[in-house]
Amino acid sequence: GENVEQHPSTLSVQEGDSAVIKCTYSDSASNYFPWYKQELGKRPQLIIDIRSNVGEKKDQRIAVTLNKTAKHFSLHITETQPEDSAVYFCAVLTNDYKLSFGAGTTVTVRA
Amino acid sequence: GAGVSQSPSNKVTEKGKDVELRCDPISGHTALYWYRQSLGQGLEFLIYFQGNSAPDKSGLPSDRFSAERTGGSVSTLTIQRTQQEDSAVYLCASSWTSGGAEGELFFGEGSRLTVL
Repeated sequence: GENVEQHPSTLSVQEGDSAVIKCTYSDSASNYFPWYKQELGKRPQLIIDIRSNVGEKKDQRIAVTLNKTAKHFSLHITETQPEDSAVYFCAVLTNDYKLSFGAGTTVTVRA
Repeated sequence: GAGVSQSPSNKVTEKGKDVELRCDPISGHTALYWYRQSLGQGLEFLIYFQGNSAPDKSGLPSDRFSAERTGGSVSTLTIQRTQQEDSAVYLCASSWTSGGAEGELFFGEGSRLTVL
């Protein structure tokens, strides 16, 4: 099955700075790479995703980059704000339409 | 429905009892997942249903856990002879598997299970 590794496991940043989370995967046939944000006590929610036909996608302060050759993708959050504090999960979809998640990154934005 | 619906939202049970957790996915979603999340931990995959294919049960932690999905829609996760280590939030999620939106997973609010 798909093996998704996510780093770092925890990340503390000063408000206004950038945060970067990286994920690697093993199955070269994987074709969909979403990121989920889970606030304390809430369900995970999709914040951004990318499919394998593009290398980068942006949505306001968040962006995702994909390197299919190296089999890794990253989440970038710029100008971080306190409400960005949450657990972030990357995920990878394989040809059997099964989504595999990384272990999560706890992001803390210091005021 | 408008979203993934799970019930009960909270369940407190005694050790050794059986529990059933229900998930009603978004209408038309052919993929359905169950995850377990302990406090402060990640998403532990339990089981995956995709259309009429045999379910992927590789994440079920023991034979006390089982799940079924009837008519390609509602799913029930059953835990027999519950143990204290089964205490967690059980999340259900569903998605399309065709039409360009494959893989976009929508989660329910979860069922919080407490085993005394």
